[in-house]
Amino acid sequence: KAGVTQTPRYLIKTRGQQVTLSCSPISGHRSVSWYQQTPGQGLQFLFEYFSETQRNKGNFPGRFSGRQFSNSRSEMNVSTLELGDSALYLCASQALDRDRIYNEQFFGPGTRLTVL
Amino acid sequence: GQNIDQPTEMTATEGAIVQINCTYQTSGFNGLFWYQQHAGEAPTFLSYNVLDGLEEKGRFSSFLSRSKGYSYLLLKELQMKDSASYLCAVRPYNDYKLSFGAGTTVTVRA
Repeated sequence: KAGVTQTPRYLIKTRGQQVTLSCSPISGHRSVSWYQQTPGQGLQFLFEYFSETQRNKGNFPGRFSGRQFSNSRSEMNVSTLELGDSALYLCASQALDRDRIYNEQFFGPGTRLTVL
Repeated sequence: GQNIDQPTEMTATEGAIVQINCTYQTSGFNGLFWYQQHAGEAPTFLSYNVLDGLEEKGRFSSFLSRSKGYSYLLLKELQMKDSASYLCAVRPYNDYKLSFGAGTTVTVRA
């Protein structure tokens, strides 16, 4: 199976702009989570989608939003970019197989966003 | 909320053993994960514990004590390729998100 893919891999934007990041989960995985990773804060949970519905949301401002499509692909959007939004944005997909004791998250390579 | 603590950095010699501790305080608990992340790469799954005790997987073992809110990851017979960041993550009960610690950077020296 192909792994989790994210596009683009690198982005440079300026303050005030908006950005859309894309994530394609592993085939058959219906849960997609987004995380922000920075050197100071580590991995911070943004939100999780399942069957096109947001089930969990982290403590991020409303400028951060996301959605999931019927094919489980997901996008996240950040509007009015700030310098502090510079980070690695990671997407993770999960199978949620109830017959398994646990379902680990599989991470994509991330999108490195730099805000100037 | 979740509070997850792990040491920032550890250094060890090739062939040695290193133990990375993780303590957590959570409003609910439904499992603890360990991930490995090499610089510039995505985190990859190492282990999962939900019951007390030791889980062994080759050179890597993970231990959990739920009553103490404590876990450790044990890396044996260290190799240079084990130089990476190791992330402890807790899944609260009935929740699908993971709360991560800041990560422990392990440097293996020759």
